[in-house]
Amino acid sequence: GAVVSQHPSRVICKSGTSVKIECRSLDFQATTMFWYRQFPKQSLMLMATSNEGSKATYEQGVEKDKFLINHASLTLSTLTVTSAHPEDSSFYICSAIPWRDSFYGYTFGSGTRLTVV
Amino acid sequence: GQNIDQPTEMTATEGAIVQINCTYQTSGFNGLFWYQQHAGEAPTFLSYNVLDGLEEKGRFSSFLSRSKGYSYLLLKELQMKDSASYLCAVRDLPGGFKTIFGAGTRLFVKA
Repeated sequence: GAVVSQHPSRVICKSGTSVKIECRSLDFQATTMFWYRQFPKQSLMLMATSNEGSKATYEQGVEKDKFLINHASLTLSTLTVTSAHPEDSSFYICSAIPWRDSFYGYTFGSGTRLTVV
Repeated sequence: GQNIDQPTEMTATEGAIVQINCTYQTSGFNGLFWYQQHAGEAPTFLSYNVLDGLEEKGRFSSFLSRSKGYSYLLLKELQMKDSASYLCAVRDLPGGFKTIFGAGTRLFVKA
């Protein structure tokens, strides 16, 4: 149990276009999901906390108009990178907590490797 | 501020024991996690400590001292497949789920 599905796994897009990444909890409801970004050989940096039915909470320095987050249901959160630029190329990972007591920590999606050319 | 420190890289021999240390300074504390991450993949959960002491799970053990802001991950009987990055992470808000990650320790296991 506790599976988080993330799609696509890899995407290449042209500079100036937008890309949508989906994160689904397959066998549990996730009122809260988290979006992280990871550059090569660096750690995961929290971008935003996605809350079902309400606006996402963005971390300092993350542009909310560039990284649009929608959490319209208890099993789906989406991250849209708008007007992508080469510096947005990174590994994007979503995560959710399957149980309220959080003993098991996050369950992560498989990640999306975004390359902007 | 929030700060989690761990060594950048470590090398160990197959069959040996290795200890990866982590020190943290966070505004709050609601549990410490260790994750394993292979290159190009998402992290996978290894352990969780919220009280002081040692938690053992097979070849992996994790220790926590809240007063010292210190944890370590102990890997025994190292195998080549243990070559990966190991991330120390702290949940800093009581009752919340926001987690801050350290930069990770890249472990190389050699034959």
